[in-house]
Amino acid sequence: IAGITQAPTSQILAAGRRMTLRCTQDMRHNAMYWYRQDLGLGLRLIHYSNTAGTTGKGEVPDGYSVSRANTDDFPLTLASAVPSQTSVYFCASSPISTGGADTQYFGPGTRLTVL
Amino acid sequence: GQNIDQPTEMTATEGAIVQINCTYQTSGFNGLFWYQQHAGEAPTFLSYNVLDGLEEKGRFSSFLSRSKGYSYLLLKELQMKDSASYLCACMDSNYQLIWGAGTKLIIKP
Repeated sequence: IAGITQAPTSQILAAGRRMTLRCTQDMRHNAMYWYRQDLGLGLRLIHYSNTAGTTGKGEVPDGYSVSRANTDDFPLTLASAVPSQTSVYFCASSPISTGGADTQYFGPGTRLTVL
Repeated sequence: GQNIDQPTEMTATEGAIVQINCTYQTSGFNGLFWYQQHAGEAPTFLSYNVLDGLEEKGRFSSFLSRSKGYSYLLLKELQMKDSASYLCACMDSNYQLIWGAGTKLIIKP
């Protein structure tokens, strides 16, 4: 593995189903992020984690949950998917933990369709 | 509120120069980033400005004016592979990135 991987690459999901998007990084970065990207809108932060064991809410957290049990993994869970969660989801990471401007590196994305 | 504005789409000719503008209003400021995103791919980092002035990196340059809340990305000697979306993002007082919707750049031969 080099960088950030996400799984699955794409998924079609029935409304009401539970879904976990996986994200793994091998760069030993402290901070990790989940974004969604919708046509005509900028990337919007869903949840973030500044270091293993801590998480925080971003701009659009409703309907999503995350966990950060270790440095490498940052899964995003949709407890009960709704059509408005149809989007492309990007996981990102950056080296720092708190306080400091640092570059974010992105995974390849997961294209999710909720019907 | 926080807001990042950039043009939705621009067209330029191969070999030419293009300037993509970005204006921003954020609560606090810890720098401005430019990312490139090819269709169907992840954003990739291009540049970071935190002080006023021009940062040059090969064919790409980025400029920042903090007093005007303004930045631009300058692409020289355009190549077909430069066809992509260019995303402007500001880091706010909480070190979170606020993203513009992106500028789709179309390069014509």
